[in-house]
Amino acid sequence: QKEVEQDPGPLSVPEGAIVSLNCTYSNSAFQYFMWYRQYSRKGPELLMYTYSSGNKEDGRFTAQVDKSSKYISLFIRDSQPSDSATYLCAMNSNFGNEKLTFGTGTRLTIIP
Amino acid sequence: DTAVSQTPKYLVTQMGNDKSIKCEQNLGHDTMYWYKQDSKKFLKIMFSYNNKELIINETVPNRFSPKSPDKAHLNLHINSLELGDSAVYFCASSQDPRGAYEQYFGPGTRLTVT
Repeated sequence: QKEVEQDPGPLSVPEGAIVSLNCTYSNSAFQYFMWYRQYSRKGPELLMYTYSSGNKEDGRFTAQVDKSSKYISLFIRDSQPSDSATYLCAMNSNFGNEKLTFGTGTRLTIIP
Repeated sequence: DTAVSQTPKYLVTQMGNDKSIKCEQNLGHDTMYWYKQDSKKFLKIMFSYNNKELIINETVPNRFSPKSPDKAHLNLHINSLELGDSAVYFCASSQDPRGAYEQYFGPGTRLTVT
């Protein structure tokens, strides 16, 4: 079993819909949770960052962390064609020189 | 003004050859990384350097050798290339080796071994 599980999709939704992307993890030591967005043939870029449990909102994006269930989510409201990309969750415990563990990514397409 | 740059962007080579990928960051970060992304988009760390010192060395074949001449540069040399080495290799940098800090990725080097 991988430390971080993410449905690879692909996921296609119509423009304006609410998108829900999710990851589950097994390592209870994880404290820092991130979502990276990767456009086709580009490097990943940080989209959202959350520490421990709770919600964080940034414009149309909301990140949720439920440490008791080891489950994190990214919600995209009023989705736009420009949101079409692969979304990777990432997490680590921040103990010393800890590596960032990525999910496999969910490929999202917003249909105009 | 590119933050993390890699050269070359594309690399096509034959099995058994030796090749190098170069990475440079102008963000003033202390930590640099090499990642491998396979065809299924799984991103896996290979190495991490902090101030030219190797701090993460995942279970990577010893055909892969990173070199950091200074903290702004991290190169990756690959000996005796194999078909399974075909992937996209990303360089990244961060302010601090602790993973809580944002990592900035380069555009990637698409390596194809034939």
